[in-house]
Amino acid sequence: KQEVTQIPAALSVPEGENLVLNCSFTDSAIYNLQWFRQDPGKGLTSLLLIQSSQREQTSGRLNASLDKSSGRSTLYIAASQPGDSATYLCAVRYDYKLSFGAGTTVTVRA
Amino acid sequence: GAVVSQHPSWVICKSGTSVKIECRSLDFQATTMFWYRQFPKQSLMLMATSNEGSKATYEQGVEKDKFLINHASLTLSTLTVTSAHPEDSSFYICSPFTHEQYFGPGTRLTVT
Repeated sequence: KQEVTQIPAALSVPEGENLVLNCSFTDSAIYNLQWFRQDPGKGLTSLLLIQSSQREQTSGRLNASLDKSSGRSTLYIAASQPGDSATYLCAVRYDYKLSFGAGTTVTVRA
Repeated sequence: GAVVSQHPSWVICKSGTSVKIECRSLDFQATTMFWYRQFPKQSLMLMATSNEGSKATYEQGVEKDKFLINHASLTLSTLTVTSAHPEDSSFYICSPFTHEQYFGPGTRLTVT
């Protein structure tokens, strides 16, 4: 069974600071890993998708790395803004299903 | 990416009644639909996988007779919570199976 862990559970930073969110998974036999953003009471917005053969993906201020052999992914958000405040979830696809971490709740203070 | 809608966005019902949640894939033909449940401050838990025209596959611990899933067409899947109880209060989210997973906006169910 795939277990996904996200550390820290919560993070509060001043505006402008870089964010580092960690995700680890127990079974390295994954097809891909996806990072999502969830605002309170809302659905999920896909941020980045990393294929199992890739090492990283970038989109604007977001960069995600993947080390499949060690079962880790890191999401970097550069120059954080108050609008980045949300819960960030990572999910790994194994078999055909997605297995989610519990998320990291980020607060960016103005 | 795939555009997914859910209706209703929130619903309050009395204990013992049934509630139907609709999930529509607006620009994508979804052969397979995932249904998730999310309790407050917890992550998403997969409830079941439905395939168009066939019976849904339920995850361990999910009562198939309580959570009825119908996937009658490639653009519509429904989840019916039967004889709802307060412990069924949760956030229900659907997601069609695509390479990059997209999710509906969710339905907040409160059972009083």
